[in-house]
Amino acid sequence: ILNVEQSPQSLHVQEGDSTNFTCSFPSSNFYALHWYRWETAKSPEALFVMTLNGDEKKKGRISATLNTKEGYSYLYIKGSQPEDSATYLCALLSNTGNQFYFGTGTSLTVIP
Amino acid sequence: GAGVSQSPRYKVAKRGQDVALRCDPISGHVSLFWYQQALGQGPEFLTYFQNEAQLDKSGLPSDRFFAERPEGSVSTLKIQRTQQEDSAVYLCASSLTRGREAFFGQGTRLTVV
Repeated sequence: ILNVEQSPQSLHVQEGDSTNFTCSFPSSNFYALHWYRWETAKSPEALFVMTLNGDEKKKGRISATLNTKEGYSYLYIKGSQPEDSATYLCALLSNTGNQFYFGTGTSLTVIP
Repeated sequence: GAGVSQSPRYKVAKRGQDVALRCDPISGHVSLFWYQQALGQGPEFLTYFQNEAQLDKSGLPSDRFFAERPEGSVSTLKIQRTQQEDSAVYLCASSLTRGREAFFGQGTRLTVV
């Protein structure tokens, strides 16, 4: 079992602010790290799939980094917008590919 | 369809009733996962299929839970003799192959009364 922790649990920011949150894990023994965005009443949507130490991915105003040696991944949102309000989930895919281990998520609210 | 479809979206069951939750994955996706999400928690793994083969069912909480994917496409999660602690959102996800991004359905919210 891979214990995935996310912090903070929830976050309120003003529109236009940049923000970041953390996914931490005790071991680098996994196949890939995935970030998902989950808006209320919708399906979780994949943001990034990261596999290599030092990976950096970017999609618009959102970017993510992965440091497997120190056991964390950061998700950054630049210039937050109200539509960014969602729960952001981090998940590790096991080496077997059979299981994702999810964190409890960071709930982001962007205040207009 | 374009995405993963789950039905029903909402299900209220009386304690002791059997329920069946359906997942239609994206066509051609080999991997299919079922997850259970209790209120305030992250999704917890239930079971994994590769095509029709159930390769991992280590997350199923009891023998009341059963999942199948007989033809390697549609999957059904069955819960027998439902208990209140079974109340949760049940998520299904599929991916093209192992390691690729997973696409989730909207989930089925099960409430056992």
